[in-house]
Amino acid sequence: DGGITQSPKYLFRKEGQNVTLSCEQNLNHDAMYWYRQDPGQGLRLIYYSQIVNDFQKGDIAEGYSVSREKKESFPLTVTSAQKNPTAFYLCASTPGGNTQYFGPGTRLTVL
Amino acid sequence: GENVEQHPSTLSVQEGDSAVIKCTYSDSASNYFPWYKQELGKGPQLIIDIRSNVGEKKDQRIAVTLNKTAKHFSLHITETQPEDSAVYFCAAWKTSYDKVIFGPGTSLSVIP
Repeated sequence: DGGITQSPKYLFRKEGQNVTLSCEQNLNHDAMYWYRQDPGQGLRLIYYSQIVNDFQKGDIAEGYSVSREKKESFPLTVTSAQKNPTAFYLCASTPGGNTQYFGPGTRLTVL
Repeated sequence: GENVEQHPSTLSVQEGDSAVIKCTYSDSASNYFPWYKQELGKGPQLIIDIRSNVGEKKDQRIAVTLNKTAKHFSLHITETQPEDSAVYFCAAWKTSYDKVIFGPGTSLSVIP
């Protein structure tokens, strides 16, 4: 069964902690993306990666970090420097120059 | 850079009526325009898309129209059903460019 998986579905973080959100795809897509969505808001781009071992900052990269060591994996770390991390996080992938396919999302809550 | 506006932000229709959502984009070089449907607590799903060499595309009850001269495109849903209730996002993409630009979304409610 092909697709994009994100884990966990729900994540709780204490203030000052770093947490890592997982995103895996078995679609053999080259590009992967991370978006943040706040209640009632649109999608804001955090980071994206066109190829393995390369990634670029999006519009709201401060307080986040990523890695792209494997084509199928693009984990996002929410660091303690992100002052307001409570949000819905969406991962997407694309074969290149075309449709983005989204994962089911991870809802992060800071306690 | 590219900017995508979307209207209305909320839309309520009676079951069976049609719904229309409109988007405008700023970069005339954009050439791919997908529409996504997002149900509560889930990731967006592609429902239809259109490329700049086509003026209209239909898929059952859903259609998208594109006016390149005016730089706007619209989503049309006919015979709406309660399960059409969701947030709809338009987007614009210049396929030689890295980033997709999304509109702010339209919350559609279909009243039974």
